[in-house]
Amino acid sequence: NAGVTQTPKFRILKIGQSMTLQCTQDMNHNYMYWYRQDPGMGLKLIYYSVGAGITDKGEVPNGYNVSRSTTEDFPLRLELAAPSQTSVYFCASSYWLAGEKYEQYFGPGTRLTVT
Amino acid sequence: KNEVEQSPQNLTAQEGEFITINCSYSVGISALHWLQQHPGGGIVSLFMLSSGKKKHGRLIATINIQEKHSSLHITASHPRDSAVYICAVRTGRSQGNLIFGKGTKLSVKP
Repeated sequence: NAGVTQTPKFRILKIGQSMTLQCTQDMNHNYMYWYRQDPGMGLKLIYYSVGAGITDKGEVPNGYNVSRSTTEDFPLRLELAAPSQTSVYFCASSYWLAGEKYEQYFGPGTRLTVT
Repeated sequence: KNEVEQSPQNLTAQEGEFITINCSYSVGISALHWLQQHPGGGIVSLFMLSSGKKKHGRLIATINIQEKHSSLHITASHPRDSAVYICAVRTGRSQGNLIFGKGTKLSVKP
């Protein structure tokens, strides 16, 4: 299993540009998450999905959009990039069933700079 | 006030030392995770626990639910243990997502 994969690893955007961060998992996990990590801060949840076709906002959703058309893929869309979106983005996935607790698996991260 | 607090923020140790990293939380939780973030940025899960103690190699994690406190111990530390260690909690109200502490940066000198 490849686990959780993310592309690209690095990206530089100009203010106002748009891009999509890709995330794919091959573990048949139903839950997927997008987090951002700012220097000196804990990871914060942007969006999450509990299954294909179902997404919901996390703590810091403004400026982002997501979709979940398949179990495997959970892309994160940045519209009109702003310097405040400069961060490292992590995708994660886990299996969640009837309150049972399972580990989260993280992708390698995407380092995004908006200038 | 952050819901998850870690101490210390930075820790420098000599190879072979016993290391303790602490995590306190202020919310009800269903599980607590300890994660390791390598210098290259990747994050891996070390432990997930909801009570008692877990051990894996030289790593030991404990949790006291009544005191809302967890500790991560590293015995016989080694330079390859140098990383950021992150405490995260899963609350009862969440849909499986985690609330993260800011991390403890550990540097082990040879």
